[in-house]
Amino acid sequence: DADVTQTPRNRITKTGKRIMLECSQTKGHDRMYWYRQDPGLGLRLIYYSFDVKDINKGEISDGYSVSRQAQAKFSLSLESAIPNQTALYFCATSDFSGVPQHFGDGTRLSIL
Amino acid sequence: AQSVSQHNHHVILSEAASLELGCNYSYGGTVNLFWYVQYPGQHLQLLLKYFSGDPLVKGIKGFEAEFIKSKFSFNLRKPSVQWSDTAEYFCAVNARSGNTPLVFGKGTRLSVIA
Repeated sequence: DADVTQTPRNRITKTGKRIMLECSQTKGHDRMYWYRQDPGLGLRLIYYSFDVKDINKGEISDGYSVSRQAQAKFSLSLESAIPNQTALYFCATSDFSGVPQHFGDGTRLSIL
Repeated sequence: AQSVSQHNHHVILSEAASLELGCNYSYGGTVNLFWYVQYPGQHLQLLLKYFSGDPLVKGIKGFEAEFIKSKFSFNLRKPSVQWSDTAEYFCAVNARSGNTPLVFGKGTRLSVIA
């Protein structure tokens, strides 16, 4: 079984819809992250959480929200999706070092 | 704020050629430095990391990187590339304390041709 599981793997939806991307991990790590990847732009941090009670905005948090339901679960929501949020989204975890070492397989999100 | 620059957007090499990918960072304090690799269709994997000590760091699959503090650089090298090294490579940095998340460069796509 994968250490970091993202669901769904692919999603196509329409502008204005609410979308939730889910991430669960079996590493027992406290720290979890959401990134988006766009061609030529690398990975940009959306939100991160150092423990269940700690949520922090990343570089590009506008238009996104997150929920840390438990140590193992960290969900990303798009309240009202827009086409420029079309991207590949990765969840990652890390130990106390703060170095993401375990990435999920990604969710490819297309917003029409 | 931290930033990372990767100068090469796309590098094309023949098998057995030597590789050097550039990475420069901007940060006012002490940093940790990393290289990640993303094979086609896969997620990122940590290739190597530098926290302190010997500035020449060896990673998996024959890769190494050298931290040159005076140049704010952390270039990735491999003496002889293989077709299987075709991937995208990302340099990343965070503060030495580890309490700031990583900042990634925009990536360098490496294509190795037989």
